[in-house]
Amino acid sequence: GAGVSQSPRYKVTKRGQDVALRCDPISGHVSLYWYRQALGQGPEFLTYFNYEAQQDKSGLPNDRFSAERPEGSISTLTIQRTEQRDSAMYRCASSSSPLRGGKYNEQFFGPGTRLTVL
Amino acid sequence: DAKTTQPNSMESNEEEPVHLPCNHSTISGTDYIHWYRQLPSQGPEYVIHGLTSNVNNRMASLAIAEDRKSSTLILHRATLRDAAVYYCILRGQIQGAQKLVFGQGTRLTINP
Repeated sequence: GAGVSQSPRYKVTKRGQDVALRCDPISGHVSLYWYRQALGQGPEFLTYFNYEAQQDKSGLPNDRFSAERPEGSISTLTIQRTEQRDSAMYRCASSSSPLRGGKYNEQFFGPGTRLTVL
Repeated sequence: DAKTTQPNSMESNEEEPVHLPCNHSTISGTDYIHWYRQLPSQGPEYVIHGLTSNVNNRMASLAIAEDRKSSTLILHRATLRDAAVYYCILRGQIQGAQKLVFGQGTRLTINP
């Protein structure tokens, strides 16, 4: 079946502009996660949702970053007034359910959106 | 979040076994040990996870020390496609511990 998809795959924007990154999780997956990955580093957690509820946003760097998942499926990560330091690969992941007998399900990652802020 | 320590890089030859170590001396009794890998230009992918007992699946084996302070991911017969960054991650069982906390990982190079 179809995996996690993200759009756009590449985004180049000018400093100060707002950007919206979209994630379409695997159909039926309850949990959706956003990560950011700098070159040569491991992914860094930003936020996650169970259904439409945002459960943890402790990784969002500042109030310019926000995310939503209004219908419990597609999610949008929005960065307002972008800065050059926001340039990174933004990755989305989904998993089938939050809990399964106390064990957490594997996360399936999308291809990412490469954001470049000039 | 409990921390893990992995070597920055390792190198092996094709068709030979590879043992990737991970130290997690501050692991709590309820933390699961997860391994993900990231192939070049791709997102991370799940490899294996375990709690106390050794685990096997089609991709790899996970050997967990008796005191759980270390573990080893074993690729029984490495192929060129196994060249990737391998991440050892501890995940708790409490609600809110769903996020993955990635470290630097081990960059595995496979020589033909």
